[in-house]
Amino acid sequence: EPEVTQTPSHQVTQMGQEVILRCVPISNHLYFYWYRQILGQKVEFLVSFYNNEISEKSEIFDDQFSVERPDGSNFTLKIRSTKLEDSAMYFCASRTEVRNQPQHFGDGTRLSIL
Amino acid sequence: AQKVTQAQTEISVVEKEDVTLDCVYETRDTTYYLFWYKQPPSGELVFLIRRNSFDEQNEISGRYSWNFQKSTSSFNFTITASQVVDSAVYFCALSDEGGTGRRALTFGSGTRLQVQP
Repeated sequence: EPEVTQTPSHQVTQMGQEVILRCVPISNHLYFYWYRQILGQKVEFLVSFYNNEISEKSEIFDDQFSVERPDGSNFTLKIRSTKLEDSAMYFCASRTEVRNQPQHFGDGTRLSIL
Repeated sequence: AQKVTQAQTEISVVEKEDVTLDCVYETRDTTYYLFWYKQPPSGELVFLIRRNSFDEQNEISGRYSWNFQKSTSSFNFTITASQVVDSAVYFCALSDEGGTGRRALTFGSGTRLQVQP
């Protein structure tokens, strides 16, 4: 069964450094999402992407964050200058255009900011 | 605005017991979609079930069943004959139309289920 793939599984970065999290959505999916989950807390929406542009973003997704679909398969989340509070599990998700279909999630990237 | 409430933070049962996880949601839209996801200790998010707002038929799928009640804005999830492998955090999630197409998921805070052998 096709799945969403995220790399790396764990990223350790010094505070203030830039980090890029990578995702390969399911191939026939058209909507892409990033969520984050701070340890022990609920999953929070960051941003959604459709037709090569951001379709929705949350208050968390400030100017430090950006997303890109650099080619036909990858979907990336960049954090420009990481802060300690960016430490979390970051999940990528994708879905088809059919509205009642679920989002399928990758296994996540655990980001640790030192 | 969307909101999902899972009042049960943690439930502990003994294997083979039935367990129901509660979910209450809020939305202003008449068209919306409800989901349950499972997060095992390994950390991934696994889709379990979905329900559309315009379909109130309750179903059973194997050991899983769900009870969707629009009148009380609830979407409860039941595991029958629980097993140790069911131990996980379970998230209820809502996506409504938001006027511009289907919005991203709003998750509840999760219910941690521990199934003791």
